[in-house]
Amino acid sequence: GIQVEQSPPDLILQEGANSTLRCNFSDSVNNLQWFHQNPWGQLINLFYIPSGTKQNGRLSATTVATERYSLLYISSSQTTDSGVYFCAARVGYQKVTFGTGTKLQVIP
Amino acid sequence: DVKVTQSSRYLVKRTGEKVFLECVQDMDHENMFWYRQDPGLGLRLIYFSYDVKMKEKGDIPEGYSVSREKKERFSLILESASTNQTSMYLCASNDRVGEKLFFGSGTQLSVL
Repeated sequence: GIQVEQSPPDLILQEGANSTLRCNFSDSVNNLQWFHQNPWGQLINLFYIPSGTKQNGRLSATTVATERYSLLYISSSQTTDSGVYFCAARVGYQKVTFGTGTKLQVIP
Repeated sequence: DVKVTQSSRYLVKRTGEKVFLECVQDMDHENMFWYRQDPGLGLRLIYFSYDVKMKEKGDIPEGYSVSREKKERFSLILESASTNQTSMYLCASNDRVGEKLFFGSGTQLSVL
């Protein structure tokens, strides 16, 4: 099955800083999603982005499917951005596979 | 917005007990999923269902079963709970097209 790798595994940011999270996948995907898991465990879907670029407020995501990676940009980070960010990918009609996540801590 | 509701936030059970975890979604989604999340292992798929009374094994189905008698409800059953099933259990759903996945708030299960 598809392999999904995320980097970095851990990230500490000062409030107001920008960051880029990366997701590499081993095959051509037709489904790529980014999630944020808050400190209480709730997983929120941030983006459905199998290709191209999307923006939602301070967050944006870009997937370059031909080069098998996706990036999540966080600008002007806030303490509420803390948590774990997961990407998840799917090939064809196979199951969605999750990466092991990037744990982000934003300090005041 | 899609709402996926899991019946319990925290659950403590004894080894050998039969455990039911319930999940209900309100958006008429065809597909429903059960994952478990463990530190360092990410999310692993236990079972999924693409229609009423249909089920498919995921990556780690051993020790679990599922039931989907109604479209909106997907139950995970631990026939005889063991300590290695202590974990966070997450239910999710999406529509037949299978784009965005929506998660419930999770059930932290402790088996003593």
